[in-house]
Amino acid sequence: EIVLTQSPTTMAASPGEKVTITCRASSSVSYMYWYQQKSGASPKPWIYETSKLASGVPDRFSGSGSGTSYSFTISSMETEDAATYYCHQWSSTPWTFGGGTKLELK
Amino acid sequence: QVQLQQSGAELVKPGTSVKLSCKASGYTFTSNHMNWIKQTTGQGLEWIGIINPGSGGTSYNVKFKGKATLTVDKSSSTAFMQLSSLTPEDSAVYYCARSPDYFDYWGQGVMVTVSS
Repeated sequence: EIVLTQSPTTMAASPGEKVTITCRASSSVSYMYWYQQKSGASPKPWIYETSKLASGVPDRFSGSGSGTSYSFTISSMETEDAATYYCHQWSSTPWTFGGGTKLELK
Repeated sequence: QVQLQQSGAELVKPGTSVKLSCKASGYTFTSNHMNWIKQTTGQGLEWIGIINPGSGGTSYNVKFKGKATLTVDKSSSTAFMQLSSLTPEDSAVYYCARSPDYFDYWGQGVMVTVSS
């Protein structure tokens, strides 16, 4: 099983601040996927195939990486971005998720 | 628009079984696989298994083999997951999620509480 390790597990950012979340895989994966989840709601696809934005996702979000190291970036934090973000690998079953990064507004 | 409507919350006793449903609409049910995902505070998100609604073929996370059984009813565009021999460790929110090649649409989730 591929273990995905996200860091940090929690963080707080001020409006306008740049945010970066990392996701390390225990084995190489072809792509990384990211989901956003707000309290009481289902996860939503946010970034797919490492760097492609899901429908409706603002372009202040971006993703990058390859192999075992991936990152998720918000260029300028906004209030609505406060949520938990999960990375996810679709390369090898069982498909797995990172433990999540809770992003709070400072 | 694509919608996955899940059944309501369940309170069940240890040792029993529960069957959860996920009714799909807004797309051709047999054209996409359906997955089930468990979410707990402690373990996060865990993929349980996948079913091909067209063929009924399934694949499970080895961790959930014997625990979860996935089926579909094509006539009603509904996917089901039966959880058996329930223990308190099965208490969680369970989601159905469609997959073309990742989880692009999710149900609203159903909370299952296992308690005597």
